[in-house]
Amino acid sequence: KQEVTQIPAALSVPEGENLVLNCSFTDSAIYNLQWFRQDPGKGLTSLLLIQSSQREQTSGRLNASLDKSSGRSTLYIAASQPGDSATYLCAVLDTGAGSYQLTFGKGTKLSVIP
Amino acid sequence: DTEVTQTPKHLVMGMTNKKSLKCEQHMGHRAMYWYKQKAKKPPELMFVYSYEKLSINESVPSRFSPECPNSSLLNLHLHALQPEDSALYLCASSQGQGARENTEAFFGQGTRLTVV
Repeated sequence: KQEVTQIPAALSVPEGENLVLNCSFTDSAIYNLQWFRQDPGKGLTSLLLIQSSQREQTSGRLNASLDKSSGRSTLYIAASQPGDSATYLCAVLDTGAGSYQLTFGKGTKLSVIP
Repeated sequence: DTEVTQTPKHLVMGMTNKKSLKCEQHMGHRAMYWYKQKAKKPPELMFVYSYEKLSINESVPSRFSPECPNSSLLNLHLHALQPEDSALYLCASSQGQGARENTEAFFGQGTRLTVV
């Protein structure tokens, strides 16, 4: 069964700092990996999707990398802003149960201090 | 437009009530999902509809009944819920679910359900 782990569980940084969030998964036979942002009590906002054949994706100040063979992904946030404060969730899509399903990590709660 | 719309945003219901949650998307997506999320936990998959047919039911109690009237709409009918069913219920959609389809998932803002 696929397991997704996110480290750290919480992170607090001063505004302007660059930061890295980590995600690891146990079964490397994934179809893709998706990073989401969730604000308190709200839904999930898709940030980046990396196909299993890709190594990285970029969107604005965000860069996500994928090393499928080692079961790892990182989300790099450049020049952090207070508006980046949220919980960041990593999810992998695989066929662990015979059909494509997303398995989520528990998230990293990010606080950017002005 | 990458919007998934869920109504209502908040719902309080008694254990003997019957209510429904609604989800709508107009992106032409053919896969739609219901997730349940408890506080400080990741979302848990409940149901998947693919091309308007129920493809996955993650052993969800029968007091939750999904319905997909057409390719744009997804409902979750609730009956005789328990207080422990209180959670954020999230709807999501993707273009498809298969290997040759775009499986990027888009989520709605959720319905905050409280069972009293």
